[in-house]
Amino acid sequence: DQQVKQNSPSLSVQEGRISILNCDYTNSMFDYFLWYKKYPAEGPTFLISISSIKDKNEDGRFTVFLNKSAKHLSLHIVPSQPGDSAVYFCAATGGTSYGKLTFGQGTILTVHP
Amino acid sequence: EAGVTQSPTHLIKTRGQQATLRCSPISGHTSVYWYQQALGLGLQFLLWYDEGEERNRGNFPPRFSGRQFPNYSSELNVNALELEDSALYLCASRFKSSGNTIYFGEGSWLTVV
Repeated sequence: DQQVKQNSPSLSVQEGRISILNCDYTNSMFDYFLWYKKYPAEGPTFLISISSIKDKNEDGRFTVFLNKSAKHLSLHIVPSQPGDSAVYFCAATGGTSYGKLTFGQGTILTVHP
Repeated sequence: EAGVTQSPTHLIKTRGQQATLRCSPISGHTSVYWYQQALGLGLQFLLWYDEGEERNRGNFPPRFSGRQFPNYSSELNVNALELEDSALYLCASRFKSSGNTIYFGEGSWLTVV
């Protein structure tokens, strides 16, 4: 049972444009969501998070939006840079899963110069 | 401040053997997590230790086991290795009182031949 889903395996964007990565979840008990970035042969790096009491959180070029009614979150990167090319994972925790993060399958972002 | 450290970086084992992977959390972090990332797949939750106790385990067979030591470092043991155990094993740690974000190490690559 895939409780966190990233339905787009890959996304290609031109440098300077916006990248939008999407994530859906099914467990209504999830109340905290995170995005991680992973380069090949490295561990995931924490990017940004959002609590279910908010619908938006910004950190520099990264903004995460949460739509609780749709059980959907998205990560916006503006402007996109070639160094952003990596695999992006969304993760969720909460309820009986508190303390443990459940990850999506990841989306490969490629930013072209 | 040192991040999460894992050893060995790479490990090659023969089917049927045992593998032991080690992890040192960030100083002050008491929770340690283990995740498996098989080729082309997302991060699958394996085990969660907190203050020496196993708090949760993922949907993996009992031949995947581990422990957490009094200094909060951790060990993951995989017995009776199978070819499909070949994967990147990621350790992460969390400071319990500072939220849900977990911080990953660089991972240990296990290859079973």
